[in-house]
Amino acid sequence: QKEVEQDPGPLSVPEGAIVSLNCTYSNSAFQYFMWYRQYSRKGPELLMYTYSSGNKEDGRFTAQVDKSSKYISLFIRDSQPSDSATYLCAMSADFGNEKLTFGTGTRLTIIP
Amino acid sequence: GAVVSQHPSRVICKSGTSVKIECRSLDFQATTMFWYRQFPKQSLMLMATSNEGSKATYEQGVEKDKFLINHASLTLSTLTVTSAHPEDSSFYICSARDPSGGFQETQYFGPGTRLLVL
Repeated sequence: QKEVEQDPGPLSVPEGAIVSLNCTYSNSAFQYFMWYRQYSRKGPELLMYTYSSGNKEDGRFTAQVDKSSKYISLFIRDSQPSDSATYLCAMSADFGNEKLTFGTGTRLTIIP
Repeated sequence: GAVVSQHPSRVICKSGTSVKIECRSLDFQATTMFWYRQFPKQSLMLMATSNEGSKATYEQGVEKDKFLINHASLTLSTLTVTSAHPEDSSFYICSARDPSGGFQETQYFGPGTRLLVL
């Protein structure tokens, strides 16, 4: 079993829709949770970062962490064609342990 | 945000040759840099952690004699793939941490280097 599971998609939604992206994980030591956006043939770009359980909002993006279920989500409101990319979740354990464990990424396409 | 560059962006080489990939932090000093490998439709896999002035720490299953890492300065780390073979063809991405900021928020990724070994 992989430490982090993420549906690779592809996921296609119409412009303006709400997008929900999810990851599950098995390592209960993970405390830091990140979402990265990766455009084709580019390096990942940090979108959201949360610590432990709870919600965090930044503009059209909302990150949720449910540690009891080992489940994290990223919501994108009012999706735009420019949001089309691969979204990767990543996690790490203790503070100072900078090793990131990534999901496989979900390829998202927003249809104009 | 901070900028991390990689060079070259793309390289094609013959089997058996060695390839060097550079990773630079352009506007900050990075005491720690990370090297990842990403195969098509797979997640980024950490290969090694590179610390300035000391030996790199390799992840299990990564051959340190094949993937040579040198972190000679606070702004430059290099990954050399020695005697490359077709199975080494992949997308290699580095990241660098800006120690002046918070924790995970300050790990910046380079644009990646696509290696194709013929």
